[in-house]
Amino acid sequence: EVQLVESGGGLVQPGRSLRLSCAASGFTFDDYAMHWVRQAPGKGLEWVSGISWNSGSIGYADSVKGRFTISRDNAKNSLYLQMNSLRAEDTALYYCAKGTEGATYDYWGQGTLVTVSS
Amino acid sequence: EIVMTQSPATLSVSPGERATLSCRASQSVSSNLAWYQQKPGQAPRLLIYGASTRATGIPARFSGSGSGTEFTLTISSLQSEDFAVYYCQQYNNWPPASTFGQGTKLEIK
Repeated sequence: EVQLVESGGGLVQPGRSLRLSCAASGFTFDDYAMHWVRQAPGKGLEWVSGISWNSGSIGYADSVKGRFTISRDNAKNSLYLQMNSLRAEDTALYYCAKGTEGATYDYWGQGTLVTVSS
Repeated sequence: EIVMTQSPATLSVSPGERATLSCRASQSVSSNLAWYQQKPGQAPRLLIYGASTRATGIPARFSGSGSGTEFTLTISSLQSEDFAVYYCQQYNNWPPASTFGQGTKLEIK
């Protein structure tokens, strides 16, 4: 059974940093691209970042470019998102998602909540 | 950035009837279009990718069509479990890039 378990969320002040983690199991992690998608409270979905199976190709949404860094450790079956210079508008539930056909997402975690507030 | 616009924002349909949801891209995305369903308190579920291919385990009453800039998700005979929010997504493989529409809420009439 595929499982994606996010962690690392919490309350953080504007301008500070946070690192999210996603532990994957139930599939061959290093065969697939992985992504972060977020959802602000009561709002729609926003793709944040994606990384290819070998970290050779990485992309970011314009809203986080230069502030967030995605990475993965295939030996640990883990995905990460380093978030720096956090803003109030980064407040959201952050989902880890497994890539599939094209850059769609067939499995999602339950999310970790990030709240940016003073 | 490619902007995805979904319509209507809310759609009221009776169980057993057909629902048609629309998604428009600000520029051509070829067939790189997916649809997701999200219920309250749950993560999204992939329904359709490649504009018209059903994901694993998705019932045949869900169908997708379109290419370029105009896309449609049709649910042929609504079941109670189909009332949810639906999102379209355009995607690019490499480098990874994606944008979602703002969602259509499908509610019981």
